[in-house]
Amino acid sequence: DIQMTQSPSTLSASVGDRVTITCRASQSISSWLAWYQQKPGKAPNLLIYKASSLESGVPSRFSGSGSGTEFTLTISSLQPDDFATYHCQHYKSYSGYTFGQGTKLEIK
Amino acid sequence: QVQLVQSGAEVKKPGASVKVSCKASGYSFTGHAIHWARQAPGQRFEWLGWINPGNGNTKYSQKFQGRVTITRDTSASIVYMELSSLRSEDTAVYFCARERVGSGYQPMDVWANGTTVTVSS
Repeated sequence: DIQMTQSPSTLSASVGDRVTITCRASQSISSWLAWYQQKPGKAPNLLIYKASSLESGVPSRFSGSGSGTEFTLTISSLQPDDFATYHCQHYKSYSGYTFGQGTKLEIK
Repeated sequence: QVQLVQSGAEVKKPGASVKVSCKASGYSFTGHAIHWARQAPGQRFEWLGWINPGNGNTKYSQKFQGRVTITRDTSASIVYMELSSLRSEDTAVYFCARERVGSGYQPMDVWANGTTVTVSS
């Protein structure tokens, strides 16, 4: 099974900061990677799919990059609404869908 | 608007089964696969399986194969997830989510708010 590992587990930052979260796959997953934002008690919200494609309606300060085994989610200028937990997910029909352990983005 | 609405919280005893429903509205029910995933307290998301509501085809995670069954009622636009032989480790919030449509493999683009399932004697 493919394992997904995110780093860091917790990130403290301030409004206006540029932040980057990393997700590593245990083997190559091409670009079949998504990023979600989740707020406490809520469902995840899709931000990025196919490693770097921005989902409709998602602010352009969010961007994704990478392929193979290493991926990043970057928020160019943190807004108050961005403090949440971020999850990466490998998706591929018939071989399963696996998630990272999540990165909690906190206010410094 | 596109919406997925799940049934309410459940409390079950070990060894019992739970059946959670997910009602879709605002889009073509048979046009998108529906996935089920869960999030136990302090744990990462785990994917349980998916169903193609158009033809009823299913795919389950190896971890839950034999314990999970996903079905659909096309007349009511509802997908069901049943998990049997419950144990305390199955205590989690269970989510249904719609698969995005596009070329190639797709992630989930619309999620329901989740159903809390508590397994306790």
